[in-house]
Amino acid sequence: NAGVTQTPKFRVLKTGQSMTLLCAQDMNHEYMYWYRQDPGMGLRLIHYSVGEGTTAKGEVPDGYNVSRLKKQNFLLGLESAAPSQTSVYFCASREGGPDTQYFGPGTRLTVL
Amino acid sequence: AQSVTQLGSHVSVSEGALVLLRCNYSSSVPPYLFWYVQYPNQGLQLLLKYTSAATLVKGINGFEAEFKKSETSFHLTKPSAHMSDAAEYFCAVKMWDGQNFVFGPGTRLSVLP
Repeated sequence: NAGVTQTPKFRVLKTGQSMTLLCAQDMNHEYMYWYRQDPGMGLRLIHYSVGEGTTAKGEVPDGYNVSRLKKQNFLLGLESAAPSQTSVYFCASREGGPDTQYFGPGTRLTVL
Repeated sequence: AQSVTQLGSHVSVSEGALVLLRCNYSSSVPPYLFWYVQYPNQGLQLLLKYTSAATLVKGINGFEAEFKKSETSFHLTKPSAHMSDAAEYFCAVKMWDGQNFVFGPGTRLSVLP
């Protein structure tokens, strides 16, 4: 099993450009999450999904959109990138209950 | 809202010394509690978790943590630090009836030779 994979690993954008980050998991997990990690702030939840076709806002959703058309994929979109969105983005998935989250390797995004 | 505090953004210990990383949560109802480790340029890996069974939880790589309800704490310990333990450590909580996790700001552990 590959676990949780993220594409791409690195990306540099100019202000105003758009992009989509892809998260894929092969563990048949119901729940999927997108976080951003910034120095000294831990991980902050952007959006999450409790199952195929569902999405919900997390702590810092502004400027991002998500879709979960297939159970194994969770896409994070930036419609008009801003320098404040420079960060490392992590995707995670889990089955349910108190189960562990499994994290992807991260995407390092720089917005100039 | 639930919050997690980790005292000390950076902790340094000598190789072979005790490691103690602190975590306190704010909920009045005991949540599920997790410790994750992040090595440079990698994702987070689970070290251990508390899910309302034994209050002393043993994890991977010799780490353990004790849930103390009266102190709303879940501190992480290891008796003898190894160079390979150098990483960033995150405490996280999840309410039993919730779907989301709240992470602390992290503690960077350095191990000195």
